[in-house]
Amino acid sequence: NAGVTQTPKFQVLKTGQSMTLQCAQDMNHEYMSWYRQDPGMGLRLIHYSVGAGITDQGEVPNGYNVSRSTTEDFPLRLLSAAPSQTSVYFCASSPRLVTDTQYFGPGTRLTVL
Amino acid sequence: AQSVAQPEDQVNVAEGNPLTVKCTYSVSGNPYLFWYVQYPNRGLQFLLKYITGDNLVKGSYGFEAEFNKSQTSFHLKKPSALVSDSALYFCAVRDWDMRFGAGTRLTVKP
Repeated sequence: NAGVTQTPKFQVLKTGQSMTLQCAQDMNHEYMSWYRQDPGMGLRLIHYSVGAGITDQGEVPNGYNVSRSTTEDFPLRLLSAAPSQTSVYFCASSPRLVTDTQYFGPGTRLTVL
Repeated sequence: AQSVAQPEDQVNVAEGNPLTVKCTYSVSGNPYLFWYVQYPNRGLQFLLKYITGDNLVKGSYGFEAEFNKSQTSFHLKKPSALVSDSALYFCAVRDWDMRFGAGTRLTVKP
């Protein structure tokens, strides 16, 4: 049971490039989410999904796309990277209910030059 | 909209002393409150949560939190701090989205 896994661990992009951050979980969790962590701002929700085929926007969705074709995977796509997207990105999952605990992946550190 | 606030950026305590990390919340319905800890270059680890019931919640590593509805607070506590407790602590409130506080850096000195 690997829990929540994220790839890559580190990434450097140039402004305007696109890329996909991968997130997978093997706990059969219905709920998955993406956060970004910036100094002094805590974690902010980008997008979330309550099940396969269902996604919704969080607090800071602009510049990011998501899809949820399977229960296990929830990739985050940066369409045209900007320096403001330099951050640490965390994926999380939880079973189903709003009272369930979310479990976090190890994070991806992204730098956009 | 729901939110939490952590009024202290930094908390310093001596090893063996009790520690408190403060959190206040604002919600329109039932508050579902969580505490997480983050060690350097790691993801967030769950400590404890309040859903309903007893106002004193016990969690991992000897931590506990007290839910106070009248003061809209959910402070994290530990009776005797360890140097290894030094980390970044986050309070969060959950609906279908989860809102985090800005974090409090706890430093426990020997």
